[in-house]
Amino acid sequence: AQSVAQPEDQVNVAEGNPLTVKCTYSVSGNPYLFWYVQYPNRGLQFLLKYITGDNLVKGSYGFEAEFNKSQTSFHLKKPSALVSDSALYFCAVRDAGTGGFKTIFGAGTRLFVKA
Amino acid sequence: DVKVTQSSRYLVKRTGEKVFLECVQDMDHENMFWYRQDPGLGLRLIYFSYDVKMKEKGDIPEGYSVSREKKERFSLILESASTNQTSMYLCASNHRGTGRTDTQYFGPGTRLTVL
Repeated sequence: AQSVAQPEDQVNVAEGNPLTVKCTYSVSGNPYLFWYVQYPNRGLQFLLKYITGDNLVKGSYGFEAEFNKSQTSFHLKKPSALVSDSALYFCAVRDAGTGGFKTIFGAGTRLFVKA
Repeated sequence: DVKVTQSSRYLVKRTGEKVFLECVQDMDHENMFWYRQDPGLGLRLIYFSYDVKMKEKGDIPEGYSVSREKKERFSLILESASTNQTSMYLCASNHRGTGRTDTQYFGPGTRLTVL
């Protein structure tokens, strides 16, 4: 069965410091992996995705994520955090090997960036 | 610019009422989804539809039904609202052709409170 784990409910980082939001997954086949962000009182917005190819994926707003197959991880990173990055972040996985369109979302990690 | 709209941002209903949540997308997407978002649980799929008049149950369909009479519109129905259906409801859509890899586009959400 597919699953996604975001082990941290909350991540605190100072503005200008690097940030990492962790995600691990479990699928039976090859994974399609996604990161979404939710700002207050708004819907989810797509940040980036890994389908195939280069393990380092670059996305919107300066975010990137590294696919690590051996560790079944897809951590979200940014070299220098901004206060405006404070939001709720969701990791999601879709099993490439199964039929259908089902995406499994993690529980979410709230990022606080302090000025 | 892609757009998914939901009929209400906030709704307050009473136990036992029939509740309709409407979602409209203007991107000619075949797939549409209804999720509920609860703290600590992330997003859970209620129902999805891959074509007009077609629907599939997600992970938590109990107490809900859906309707897709037109391609652009996907309705979620709570036949008899209960307090445990108090939640944030998110609608999403994407293309079927690349559905396994394609990004989902989300509406702003409807926060439903059942008293």
